[in-house]
Parts: sequence; structure tokens; C-alpha cells
Amino acid sequence: DTEVTQTPKHLVMGMTNKKSLKCEQHMGHRAMYWYKQKAKKPPELMFVYSYEKLSINESVPSRFSPECPNSSLLNLHLHALQPEDSALYLCASSQVSGGAGGELFFGEGSRLTVL
Amino acid sequence: AQSVSQHNHHVILSEAASLELGCNYSYGGTVNLFWYVQYPGQHLQLLLKYFSGDPLVKGIKGFEAEFIKSKFSFNLRKPSVQWSDTAEYFCAVNALPDSNYQLIWGAGTKLIIKP
Repeated sequence: DTEVTQTPKHLVMGMTNKKSLKCEQHMGHRAMYWYKQKAKKPPELMFVYSYEKLSINESVPSRFSPECPNSSLLNLHLHALQPEDSALYLCASSQVSGGAGGELFFGEGSRLTVL
Repeated sequence: AQSVSQHNHHVILSEAASLELGCNYSYGGTVNLFWYVQYPGQHLQLLLKYFSGDPLVKGIKGFEAEFIKSKFSFNLRKPSVQWSDTAEYFCAVNALPDSNYQLIWGAGTKLIIKP
């Protein structure tokens, strides 16, 4: 079991839908991350929040909108996605951004299918 | 730009065989090094890490890795694999500070252990 909880585990949405992915951690970590992982590929960094502020946006399309309501929660709002956005979306946390040598704790992911 | 190279994309071994997975990185400065593992249907988790000190580090489940600075390598080893080691293995490097303190991932090695 992981201490980073992601919901939902599976999501199917149409290209006109609006949905959100949620992530929660209670380890007191101050950095939280969204990664995208395609099958048989390594995770690709999308966003980093450090102390609840967006610190890194890896040129992610605006149809993905992150939000960090507090230090324990991270959301990813999805709107007008494309079929190629279908992937496993991973949330991770660490003590501080890039700190502790980059040791990340991952959730199990939300598997997104865009029809 | 920094990069991480994993030599084998697929490795198939029989139980009790010895394992070595290669990882090389391209960066001449200070690095923190990691191996993460993703078991089928499970979350990414840290297998072991190197920050400094003894270049031979031990991780969970009998894995170890050796940092050879002159070769820019951080190979993962296990003397005797088990069927439960079947998983995807990712090498990751934190190239301080040029990578903005974020992880650079290798492409991954899918390890299949035949019972």
C-alpha cells in the first residue's frame, strides 16, 4: 500500500467532458507532483507544487489545470482532452521539491481513457 | 542536456539466476541516483538510492547497486532473482542543480522471471 491516495482509479471521459483527478498525502510532504505515464514508458513530469505554489509546469497544454488547495491535496482538472491524453496519471510527493535527493512517493495512479 | 540510459529494455531470466541491469547517465556534476520499481498493477516505489558515501548501496528485497563515478554508471544487481521480481525497473538521476532538482528517468527495463 502507498501513502499517496489517488482517486478515481479509472476514469473514462469524452472529449467535451470536464473531470478532475484527486490526490492526497498525509506524510507532511511539502512538494507534490503530477506525472503522466504511457504504457511501457517512464513517467513524464507535468507539474510540481512546492509549498502549495506551482513551481514547475513542463509546458503542459492548458486543457490540464492543476490545483493545490492545501499542502495535503492536489487536483488535476481535465477539460476538452484528446484521445492521445489517455494514460496513467501519477501523483507523487516528496519532503520538499527536489529535496531529500529527489525521493518520491507515488500513488497508484488514475488510469484515464479519453474517447 | 542530461540523460539516463538503460541498456536493456527487456530481460528474461529463470528463477535463481543472477541479475544485473545497466544504467548510465550523462552529467559531469553532482548526482543523486535512484532505482524505482513498478510491480504489475502496483505503484512506483523506491528500490534504493545513492546520495553520497559508500558507492555500494543496498535496497529492499535483496537488491543492491554500485555507483561508479568514472563510468557514470549505477547498475542494479541481485544475486538470485525470484518470480516475484517480475516488474519494470527505472533508473533515475537527480542532476543537481541543473535539472532543476527534478528526476531524469531512464526508459525502463522490463524484467520477466520464469518460474
